[in-house]
Amino acid sequence: DTGVSQDPRHKITKRGQNVTFRCDPISEHNRLYWYRQTLGQGPEFLTYFQNEAQLEKSRLLSDRFSAERPKGSFSTLEIQRTEQGDSAMYLCASSLMTNQPQHFGDGTRLSIL
Amino acid sequence: KNEVEQSPQNLTAQEGEFITINCSYSVGISALHWLQQHPGGGIVSLFMLSSGKKKHGRLIATINIQEKHSSLHITASHPRDSAVYICAVGRPYGGATNKLIFGTGTLLAVQP
Repeated sequence: DTGVSQDPRHKITKRGQNVTFRCDPISEHNRLYWYRQTLGQGPEFLTYFQNEAQLEKSRLLSDRFSAERPKGSFSTLEIQRTEQGDSAMYLCASSLMTNQPQHFGDGTRLSIL
Repeated sequence: KNEVEQSPQNLTAQEGEFITINCSYSVGISALHWLQQHPGGGIVSLFMLSSGKKKHGRLIATINIQEKHSSLHITASHPRDSAVYICAVGRPYGGATNKLIFGTGTLLAVQP
């Protein structure tokens, strides 16, 4: 069990640029979640995959956000035309079954200049 | 009003003290989670419970489904327990738990 890994750990970019984050879940976990956490707040749900199927998306996920999990293994989260308000920690989590604990990665911290 | 409320928001304790963090929720849940987050981001799952009480080392979590309330207790607190403790509830979706809804966390500082 190598844990959930996220890349990069930190991303600094200028407003208007596109960014892409990657999450590698624990290998046998077919449930994958993306959350966003702003300073001083608890994480907020963004989207959920079961295998390669994206089963739920939050209203927080505007048209500028897209997430994929093409082969049911790793996932990517892309933000197009980044805005100041996108600055946050983006967390990925995975679980084996829906009623089991979620295992979190260390997150990708995004800073928009 | 948030669906998951925690109290207190900040807590300072002396080493050795018994600590209680409370969580109340207002929605139907399939399970309640207690998580620990250290500076820098990493989140670790401490407990997942849907009834009764669970214990792991010096940590105890309880839940009262009827009252929609849970508590996390830390016995004989130690400076290494200093972290943010987050309560989260699993929301049923199509009969199965999917997303977690989080409280804002309790920042605990245990002083030696």
